[in-house]
Amino acid sequence: KQEVTQIPAALSVPEGENLVLNCSFTDSAIYNLQWFRQDPGKGLTSLLLIQSSQREQTSGRLNASLDKSSGRSTLYIAASQPGDSATYLCAVGRDDMRFGAGTRLTVKP
Amino acid sequence: GAVVSQHPSRVICKSGTSVKIECRSLDFQATTMFWYRQFPKQSLMLMATSNEGSKATYEQGVEKDKFLINHASLTLSTLTVTSAHPEDSSFYICSAPGGAHVYTEAFFGQGTRLTVV
Repeated sequence: KQEVTQIPAALSVPEGENLVLNCSFTDSAIYNLQWFRQDPGKGLTSLLLIQSSQREQTSGRLNASLDKSSGRSTLYIAASQPGDSATYLCAVGRDDMRFGAGTRLTVKP
Repeated sequence: GAVVSQHPSRVICKSGTSVKIECRSLDFQATTMFWYRQFPKQSLMLMATSNEGSKATYEQGVEKDKFLINHASLTLSTLTVTSAHPEDSSFYICSAPGGAHVYTEAFFGQGTRLTVV
């Protein structure tokens, strides 16, 4: 059974700092890996989707990488802003997606 | 991208009553949809797979008689929480694959916050 782990569970940084969120998964036979943002009490906002044949995807200040063979992905956030404060979820699969527990990010002004 | 609409976004109901949540794919057809549940401060867990024209498949530990799923058309799946109890209070969210190819993205509804009092 696929298990997804996210480290750290929580992270607090000052505004402007670059940061890295980590995601690992136990079964490397995946089709997709997706990063989401979830604000308190809200639904999911899709940030980046990486297909298994891809190594990375970029959108604005976000860059996600995928190392399928080692079962790892990272989400890099450049020049963090207070508005980036949210919980970031990593999920693998497409249909029956398996989610990590998330990293709760706080960016302090 | 494709849009999945989920309704209602928030519902409060009395213990013992039933609540229906709708999940619609607005601009594409979905023969399969997925229902997830998220308890406070926990991550999303897959509850069941909704299959158009056939029975839903449930994850281990999810009571199929309590969480009724109906996928009556290619654009609509419903989840009915029957005889709701306070422990059913949770955030429920659905998803639908954007296409048949396994590499296409899954799109999520806005979620439904259920509170049973």
